[in-house]
Amino acid sequence: EPEVTQTPSHQVTQMGQEVILRCVPISNHLYFYWYRQILGQKVEFLVSFYNNEISEKSEIFDDQFSVERPDGSNFTLKIRSTKLEDSAMYFCASKGWSGGAETQYFGPGTRLLVL
Amino acid sequence: AQSVTQPDIHITVSEGASLELRCNYSYGATPYLFWYVQSPGQGLQLLLKYFSGDTLVQGIKGFEAEFKRSQSSFNLRKPSVHWSDAAEYFCAVGAINAGNMLTFGGGTRLMVKP
Repeated sequence: EPEVTQTPSHQVTQMGQEVILRCVPISNHLYFYWYRQILGQKVEFLVSFYNNEISEKSEIFDDQFSVERPDGSNFTLKIRSTKLEDSAMYFCASKGWSGGAETQYFGPGTRLLVL
Repeated sequence: AQSVTQPDIHITVSEGASLELRCNYSYGATPYLFWYVQSPGQGLQLLLKYFSGDTLVQGIKGFEAEFKRSQSSFNLRKPSVHWSDAAEYFCAVGAINAGNMLTFGGGTRLMVKP
């Protein structure tokens, strides 16, 4: 069964550094998403991406964040200058049709720790 | 704006007992509704979804959920819990539009006693 994959599984970085989180969505899906989950809190929507542009974004997704689909398979989330409060689990998702409904399938996540 | 409430933060049940996890949503029209499960250190696995039709939906691992429009609820049930069901369960609502971002509830952590 096709899966969403994410790399790395864990990343530790210093405050102020740039990080790039990578995702490979399911191959025939067209919508892609990033969500994050701060430890002990809800899963929160960050951004959705379709046809090589941002479709929707939340208030969290400020100018420090960017997304890109640099080639036909990868979907990346870049945090330009990390802050302590960016420490979280970041989930990528892609959306496809399943059982008559649009369904988002999530990757295993990247745990980001900012020191 | 859409929102989801899971009133129970923690639930403990004995193995073999029945389970019901509550979910209430707020959305202006008929939503897509989902239950995901997250095992420790793992990603989010889809258990089941509702989008239209029969209000009782079956999912994987023996789970089912019932959509009740009048109560704005989508409670998850399982008749007999197994120790491997211990995990965190998230209810989510998605808009029926092209982008359809998901809004998640706060989650319910299920513990299973032997």
